Amino acid sequence: EAQVTQNPRYLITVTGKKLTVTCSQNMNHEYMSWYRQDPGLGLRQIYYSMNVEVTDKGDVPEGYKVSRKEKRNFPLILESPSPNQTSLYFCASSLAYNYGYTFGSGTRLTVV
Amino acid sequence: DQQVKQNSPSLSVQEGRISILNCDYTNSMFDYFLWYKKYPAEGPTFLISISSIKDKNEDGRFTVFLNKSAKHLSLHIVPSQPGDSAVYFCAASEPVSFSSNTGKLIFGQGTTLQVKP
Repeated sequence: EAQVTQNPRYLITVTGKKLTVTCSQNMNHEYMSWYRQDPGLGLRQIYYSMNVEVTDKGDVPEGYKVSRKEKRNFPLILESPSPNQTSLYFCASSLAYNYGYTFGSGTRLTVV
Repeated sequence: DQQVKQNSPSLSVQEGRISILNCDYTNSMFDYFLWYKKYPAEGPTFLISISSIKDKNEDGRFTVFLNKSAKHLSLHIVPSQPGDSAVYFCAASEPVSFSSNTGKLIFGQGTTLQVKP
């Protein structure tokens, strides 16, 4: 089944404790992206990648890191999480920038 | 500054009637526009898209209209069904160019559609 898999689905952590949210796609897609969803703000792009080793900042990159060492994986790293990073995170992949993205099921992160 | 705006947070329609969801944008360089549907506890799913060189695209019960002069697009759902109840996001993509590595997708805030039986 073609899908984007992100883990974990739910995570509660404390301020400053490094964490990684994994994302993997099995569709051989070039484009991958991370979004966060917050009430009243919709989906805001954090980082995106157009291919292996090619990444670029989205609209809200502060406090996040990404890497694209393999085509299928695009982990999101929070080096020192803060409470304002409490949000619902989505990973997505696409064949091309103007194709519809396939989204993962989301990761609900709470930073206390 | 929000480049893609959905000014109606919610919309309620009767089953069988037309649902019209609206979206405005500010960047005339956007070259593709997409609509996504999102159910609770799930990721958004792609619904329909339109290129900036077209003014209409149809897929079954879903039609997207693009008015470039007004920088406005709309999604029409006819007839509306209770299963259409979800949050709808419009999104716009910037073209890839040599001067930037963009190609990112910018979303609106979303409109919650409720279709009443």
